[in-house]
Amino acid sequence: AQSVTQLGSHVSVSEGALVLLRCNYSSSVPPYLFWYVQYPNQGLQLLLKYTTGATLVKGINGFEAEFKKSETSFHLTKPSAHMSDAAEYFCAVSETGGGNKLTFGTGTQLKVEL
Amino acid sequence: GAVVSQHPSRVICKSGTSVKIECRSLDFQATTMFWYRQFPKQSLMLMATSNEGSKATYEQGVEKDKFLINHASLTLSTLTVTSAHPEDSSFYICSARDPGTGHDTIYFGEGSWLTVV
Repeated sequence: AQSVTQLGSHVSVSEGALVLLRCNYSSSVPPYLFWYVQYPNQGLQLLLKYTTGATLVKGINGFEAEFKKSETSFHLTKPSAHMSDAAEYFCAVSETGGGNKLTFGTGTQLKVEL
Repeated sequence: GAVVSQHPSRVICKSGTSVKIECRSLDFQATTMFWYRQFPKQSLMLMATSNEGSKATYEQGVEKDKFLINHASLTLSTLTVTSAHPEDSSFYICSARDPGTGHDTIYFGEGSWLTVV
């Protein structure tokens, strides 16, 4: 079984400040890890993913995440927040060979203030 | 990039009626599609896995007779909510794997808002 925990349902940052959204996972096998963004009344857009190889993954819109196996974490960061980053962010995990069934965290609402 | 489209984006139906939501992969063939449900301010919950040419695999607790899934072609999966009730009101999202990009890339549709009155 797999699960995802996102700490902090709401995160607020100032424009230009560092964005850090936390994600911890549990999986009985090596995981695939994902971050998705959801804008109001829209579907999900893939930000980045980790499958194998380099543990620091770069995604779209300046976001990146680092897979830390020892900490079972996959935190999402962005050096400088922009107003357009305000959205809901979901961390997800799938098990290798699990047929792409994603288990999602409960989401973190990011607010960016002037 | 790959595109997955859902239709309708919003639908209102009367209690007791059935409503169909379509999920299409526009520029790739998807042997597997997934249907999720999202309640307001909550996460996505996987309802079922839709396999082209075979029966869908439902997650525990999901009524297969109420949520009918058909995956008749490599580009289309449909979710039919039968005898809808107000508690079925939710945001339904489909996703599909683009086999051309390997095992790990999933694309989501825009979602469909269902309101049962």
